[in-house]
Amino acid sequence: QSALTQPASVSGSPGQSITISCTGTSNDVGGYNFVSWYQQHPGKAPKLMICDVSNRPSGVSNRFSGSKSGNTASLTISGLQAEDEADYYCSSFTSSSTYVFGTGTRVTVL
Amino acid sequence: EVQLVESGGGLVQPGRSLRLSCATSGFRIDDYAMHWVRQAPGKGLEWVSGISWNSGTIGYADSVKGRFTISRDNAKNSLYLQMNSLRAEDTALYYCAKEWSGMDVWGQGTTVTVSS
Repeated sequence: QSALTQPASVSGSPGQSITISCTGTSNDVGGYNFVSWYQQHPGKAPKLMICDVSNRPSGVSNRFSGSKSGNTASLTISGLQAEDEADYYCSSFTSSSTYVFGTGTRVTVL
Repeated sequence: EVQLVESGGGLVQPGRSLRLSCATSGFRIDDYAMHWVRQAPGKGLEWVSGISWNSGTIGYADSVKGRFTISRDNAKNSLYLQMNSLRAEDTALYYCAKEWSGMDVWGQGTTVTVSS
């Protein structure tokens, strides 16, 4: 159950687009369309932003989008805003019928 | 309003036990799988355990397997985590989360500190 690999940090200017990658294996990300993305602001509980690879829950801005290719999932934030500055985590169901989170990415708005 | 409220955390010595509870409201708990996720101070999220709606499917992270037991009481709208043989590395904020195409609702967490 190794954590999924994410870049430690990603930054962008307001209005720009950024993409966060999440790399796993064929036993998790590559094998199932059960990849989710979570946003966490300091001192707060995580918030679901994307489920099932690319679906946005009700209330989540359409600036957030998800995709997957092979063993790597991606979260794209377009039109970057100051409020998007937070930590982001991916998660996937695994072949062991467990879940695994990514290592986390700190997004900084310059 | 859908709400999850964790309780039962505290300071405990290594090797001792603790039982966490998650009280739910605003939805039918027996319609959903539930999870425990933890976050060590300054660290990332770690999935701990999950349980299906009817307790028929249960999973654990390797780091807690054999020491932690997840359970639920749908009649009491509650989720539990029995933690035995606690170690310093179990120190974390423990969240319960409801699953519906991802973990869509989270509590605010309860803090567990394992120290002598």
